[in-house]
Amino acid sequence: DAKTTQPPSMDCAEGRAANLPCNHSTISGNEYVYWYRQIHSQGPQYIIHGLKNNETNEMASLIITEDRKSSTLILPHATLRDTAVYYCIVRVAYGNKLVFGAGTILRVKS
Amino acid sequence: DAEITQSPRHKITETGRQVTLACHQTWNHNNMFWYRQDLGHGLRLIHYSYGVQDTNKGEVSDGYSVSRSNTEDLPLTLESAASSQTSVYFCASSEGGQGNTQYFGPGTRLTVL
Repeated sequence: DAKTTQPPSMDCAEGRAANLPCNHSTISGNEYVYWYRQIHSQGPQYIIHGLKNNETNEMASLIITEDRKSSTLILPHATLRDTAVYYCIVRVAYGNKLVFGAGTILRVKS
Repeated sequence: DAEITQSPRHKITETGRQVTLACHQTWNHNNMFWYRQDLGHGLRLIHYSYGVQDTNKGEVSDGYSVSRSNTEDLPLTLESAASSQTSVYFCASSEGGQGNTQYFGPGTRLTVL
């Protein structure tokens, strides 16, 4: 699975959009981009995933660049409960494991 | 609602004892996974299973075993607990197939004294 690079931490004002970047320059054509988050002391929570096209669900939007070498997770209206570590993971379909890096600590502040 | 549960949520044991951590999912998922999480290491895969009677070793399997006798459960056994196995353990499951999104349980905090 390709390696990902994320900033170690970010701050966001409550009610504003949080944009979390991820670089995955060695991504292969059959690899998906997944985002998970982990709120303190809880299990990782699935957010969204995509292959080529931008994706949106009730939690977030995922923007993948045309060359697929980077992506951005967007939380449209961040709340204090969105404070967590956010992990960007690249993996193949049918892959058997998730490789978690250090992630980005997102702090939402009032 | 379908879910994945782990028990116990907290466990303290002594070195050398056998410990079993339970994981139960009601999604009827084929795939189940055990991870451990330690400061400085993130989540690391211990064992995984693609179905009943199937088990596979992950990257940190030494000292751990699993068995899959039904679809719903994948218990994790520490044969002889060691202080190095003090950690938070997460179970996950996925349906399988393309995409293969994994869903995680709430975790078990294990302390080996």
